[in-house]
Amino acid sequence: GENVEQHPSTLSVQEGDSAVIKCTYSDSASNYFPWYKQELGKRPQLIIDIRSNVGEKKDQRIAVTLNKTAKHFSLHITETQPEDSAVYFCAASPTGNQFYFGTGTSLTVIP
Amino acid sequence: GAGVSQSPSNKVTEKGKDVELRCDPISGHTALYWYRQRLGQGLEFLIYFQGNSAPDKSGLPSDRFSAERTGESVSTLTIQRTQQEDSAVYLCASSLVRGMNEQFFGPGTRLTVL
Repeated sequence: GENVEQHPSTLSVQEGDSAVIKCTYSDSASNYFPWYKQELGKRPQLIIDIRSNVGEKKDQRIAVTLNKTAKHFSLHITETQPEDSAVYFCAASPTGNQFYFGTGTSLTVIP
Repeated sequence: GAGVSQSPSNKVTEKGKDVELRCDPISGHTALYWYRQRLGQGLEFLIYFQGNSAPDKSGLPSDRFSAERTGESVSTLTIQRTQQEDSAVYLCASSLVRGMNEQFFGPGTRLTVL
């Protein structure tokens, strides 16, 4: 089955700096890659997603890039703010039925 | 409108007992997922329902775990003869249709097996 690895597990950045989280996947059939943000004690929420026919997608300060050949995708957050502090999860789906999540990155933005 | 709801929010049980967790998806959402999240870990896929199709049970860790869904409404996840390693937060999510669509998560049920 699919195996998703996520790095780093923790990340601290100064407010205003950029943060990058990277994920790799193993199943070349995976074609949908969502990113979820989970604030402490709250439920995960989708922040951005990308499909395999697209290499990059941006939404304001958040962008995701996908390299299908290398089987990796990354989340980029620019101009970080304290409210960006949360755990971020990447996921990959080969079928639309099963979603395989990474182990999460705990991001702390230092004011 | 109302989001995904789950009950109970917390459940403490003794090893060997059975537990039943409930999920109410967003009305009209045909796809429903169950995940397990151990402390400090990612989300582990358990089972997926889509309308009246046969569920995808490939993520269930053992035959002690089972789930049902009535049509496109409520789902229950049952864990029989609970073990300490079953302690985790169990999250339910629903989406409008299967596939490349946003999943809306419930608040989860925190299960503690003593």
